[in-house]
Amino acid sequence: KAGVTQTPRYLIKTRGQQVTLSCSPISGHRSVSWYQQTPGQGLQFLFEYFSETQRNKGNFPGRFSGRQFSNSRSEMNVSTLELGDSALYLCASSPYGQGYGYTFGSGTRLTVV
Amino acid sequence: SQQGEEDPQALSIQEGENATMNCSYKTSINNLQWYRQNSGRGLVHLILIRSNEREKHSGRLRVTLDTSKKSSSLLITASRAADTASYFCAPQDGGSQGNLIFGKGTKLSVKP
Repeated sequence: KAGVTQTPRYLIKTRGQQVTLSCSPISGHRSVSWYQQTPGQGLQFLFEYFSETQRNKGNFPGRFSGRQFSNSRSEMNVSTLELGDSALYLCASSPYGQGYGYTFGSGTRLTVV
Repeated sequence: SQQGEEDPQALSIQEGENATMNCSYKTSINNLQWYRQNSGRGLVHLILIRSNEREKHSGRLRVTLDTSKKSSSLLITASRAADTASYFCAPQDGGSQGNLIFGKGTKLSVKP
C-alpha cells in the first residue's frame, strides 16, 4: 500500500512569489490535513479537508489556501510568499479523521529567499 | 480540538534503559494519539488509545490513559539509539472532526 506522497520534496522560492504543494493520500483515505513546522512555532495546523470540503481551519492568514479533489488528492497554495513562510509543510491522511490515526508524508521543505 | 502538553521537553537516556514521556490535556477526549518524528521528517503514528481504554501495547511501546487526571504516558522499554526522535501526543475531542493539534513534544535522545 503506497504511503502519503508529497511533491516536491524541496522548493526554493523568492519573496512575493506563490507556491503550490501537492499531496496524494493513501488510497481510500478521505481526510487530508496540512501542517506547517518551523523551529520557532513547532507543528501548526493549517487546514483539513474531507470529501472536497474544508472541515477545519487553523489560524493562518488568507494567503494560505487549499483544496481537495474528487480523488482525495490535495493541494495547498501560499501566495505572496514571505521569509517567515520558510518551513517544512506536512500533509497527513486518514480514513475519516476523527477516531483514526493519521499517516504523514515526508513533507515539502520550502525555503523563501 | 485541543493541544496536548508533553513533559519533559527533553529526555536523555542510555541504550537499554526505559523512557517515559507524559502528556496532559484540558478537556474530555474521544481518543489520544502518540506520534514520533525523526529529525526533519514526517510524523509516524505510534498508538491511538480511546477514552474507554486504560492501557495499550505495541511492541516495546506501552501507553496508558487516565481520563480522571486528563493525562497519558508513553513508555518505551529497552530503548535503542534508533528511538532517538521527538514524540508528540495529540488528544482528539468530540469537537475535532479531523484535525490534530500538536504541542512542542518530548525530544528523546538515546545514547549508545
